[in-house]
Amino acid sequence: DGGITQSPKYLFRKEGQNVTLSCEQNLNHDAMYWYRQDPGQGLRLIYYSQIVNDFQKGDIAEGYSVSREKKESFPLTVTSAQKNPTAFYLCASNADYNEQFFGPGTRLTVL
Amino acid sequence: DAKTTQPPSMDCAEGRAANLPCNHSTISGNEYVYWYRQIHSQGPQYIIHGLKNNETNEMASLIITEDRKSSTLILPHATLRDTAVYYCTIKAAGNKLTFGGGTRVLVKP
Repeated sequence: DGGITQSPKYLFRKEGQNVTLSCEQNLNHDAMYWYRQDPGQGLRLIYYSQIVNDFQKGDIAEGYSVSREKKESFPLTVTSAQKNPTAFYLCASNADYNEQFFGPGTRLTVL
Repeated sequence: DAKTTQPPSMDCAEGRAANLPCNHSTISGNEYVYWYRQIHSQGPQYIIHGLKNNETNEMASLIITEDRKSSTLILPHATLRDTAVYYCTIKAAGNKLTFGGGTRVLVKP
């Protein structure tokens, strides 16, 4: 089945530790996105990539980093510089200018 | 980027039509209106999108006003499985989506 996978579904980390969230897609989409969602809120764009080896900051990029070495993969690292990293993280992808497809999300809790 | 405003919540009777309004008064001429819905703790699901004309698919209809400053998503026959948060979003240059707070729709038997 084609789709977007995010792993793990739940992730716990200690404060001050960097953590990397995985996002993989087998839809052959060029563009990929990372969003953050806080309880009761809408999605906010962290980073996006329109093509391999290129990415741009979204609205809330501080404290996050990404890489796009392969078309199918767009990992997100939450660094210790992110002041409030506990949130629900969603990855998405799309082909050309069509609708974005979203993964199931990773819920990160920093203790 | 254009912002959207939606009512925070609304109830709908099962089997009846649900009309979800969205205000996007700052939308630019080349920006699309997209609707997604999110069931609790899942990734958003695409519903429909439009630029100027009204659109219909197997899930819903989208009515966009002539001045494009607002739109309405219509779920023709709401079912219990339509209970979700519905987001009206604007697709800006660079293929970026701007999400507002959404409308929490509760379909009641």
